[in-house]
Amino acid sequence: GQNIDQPTEMTATEGAIVQINCTYQTSGFNGLFWYQQHAGEAPTFLSYNVLDGLEEKGRFSSFLSRSKGYSYLLLKELQMKDSASYLCAVREIGGGATNKLIFGTGTLLAVQP
Amino acid sequence: EAQVTQNPRYLITVTGKKLTVTCSQNMNHEYMSWYRQDPGLGLRQIYYSMNVEVTDKGDVPEGYKVSRKEKRNFPLILESPSPNQTSLYFCASSPQRGPYNEQFFGPGTRLTVL
Repeated sequence: GQNIDQPTEMTATEGAIVQINCTYQTSGFNGLFWYQQHAGEAPTFLSYNVLDGLEEKGRFSSFLSRSKGYSYLLLKELQMKDSASYLCAVREIGGGATNKLIFGTGTLLAVQP
Repeated sequence: EAQVTQNPRYLITVTGKKLTVTCSQNMNHEYMSWYRQDPGLGLRQIYYSMNVEVTDKGDVPEGYKVSRKEKRNFPLILESPSPNQTSLYFCASSPQRGPYNEQFFGPGTRLTVL
């Protein structure tokens, strides 16, 4: 079956680094996405990993280990505006749906001064 | 501006009164999808469409219908809404080919069924 786990809440300090973990179990893996969602707003795309390793995009980096079913999102130089929910989503293959996403419940990050 | 639009953004209705939430994208995307988001449950897929006239059930399709007569539009229909359909709804679209094929989300529709 499908299962995605991520911590419910995290707190960090402005200027610091925070790592948000995501573990998954899926029948047909075809990539992992991280989305950012501010309260009451739409999710917005942050990063994508399909091969093992680290992808870096400015202050945000995402890591994937397919053998371990594990990913993390690393946020550096935290800013107050980074306070949001961070959604881990796995794309599945098979069943005719080439772009089906399974979402975790999200990690609510609070950045404190 | 490339975007996904949804209407209405907010809706309060009563049990059993049919309603439609519209979704439109201007990016010529083949794939479109509807999600509902509930506290503690995350985003769950209701229906999706891989192209015009091609639709299929997601994980929570009961009580919903969709249609895809044109590439840009993917309306969500609630024939007889019930209180358990009170939720935040998102429409999303994505291309079938591309480096990421990430989904672009509309602004959301907050629905309350009394």
